[in-house]
Amino acid sequence: NAGVTQTPKFQVLKTGQSMTLQCAQDMNHEYMSWYRQDPGMGLRLIHYSVGAGITDQGEVPNGYNVSRSTTEDFPLRLLSAAPSQTSVYFCASSYSEVDFFGQGTRLTVV
Amino acid sequence: KQEVTQIPAALSVPEGENLVLNCSFTDSAIYNLQWFRQDPGKGLTSLLLIQSSQREQTSGRLNASLDKSSGRSTLYIAASQPGDSATYLCAGGNYGQNFVFGPGTRLSVLP
Repeated sequence: NAGVTQTPKFQVLKTGQSMTLQCAQDMNHEYMSWYRQDPGMGLRLIHYSVGAGITDQGEVPNGYNVSRSTTEDFPLRLLSAAPSQTSVYFCASSYSEVDFFGQGTRLTVV
Repeated sequence: KQEVTQIPAALSVPEGENLVLNCSFTDSAIYNLQWFRQDPGKGLTSLLLIQSSQREQTSGRLNASLDKSSGRSTLYIAASQPGDSATYLCAGGNYGQNFVFGPGTRLSVLP
């Protein structure tokens, strides 16, 4: 049972480049979310989805897009990377208010 | 807007000690509270979820309590072991809203 799988684990981007962080879960959870984790700030919610075809903004959505075409997948797109988006990104899926997290993607924007 | 804080940011204890990690939140209308463990370079693992009708939850050597009136939750770890070394985060959620995370307490249990 893979749980929540994120790819890639590490990524370096140049300012202005775009990329997609992948997230897949095999637990058939309806609720999925993306967080970023910065030192001393805990996790902050970027976007979330309550089911296929439904997405909404979290606390820090600017510069990021999401879509949810299937229950399993919830990709996060960076449109034009900026140094302020250097962070560790976590994807999570939830069932009955318990969250299951992926291993994270460490992104550096130079 | 719910805000969650955790003090101290870091804690070192000798093996075998019982210890308490603290979590404070600003909105007493909190619906549920979750404690997580994060190992270096890894994702978060849910440890305990206290739902709105509950005051505490227990799992093995861990006990978490929730006091809405005082705006506090505590995670009690009995007989600490070096394997308990990790960062512990709490997250509070109001009804119908997403969890808000605290910054975490980095725990080191020394052999």
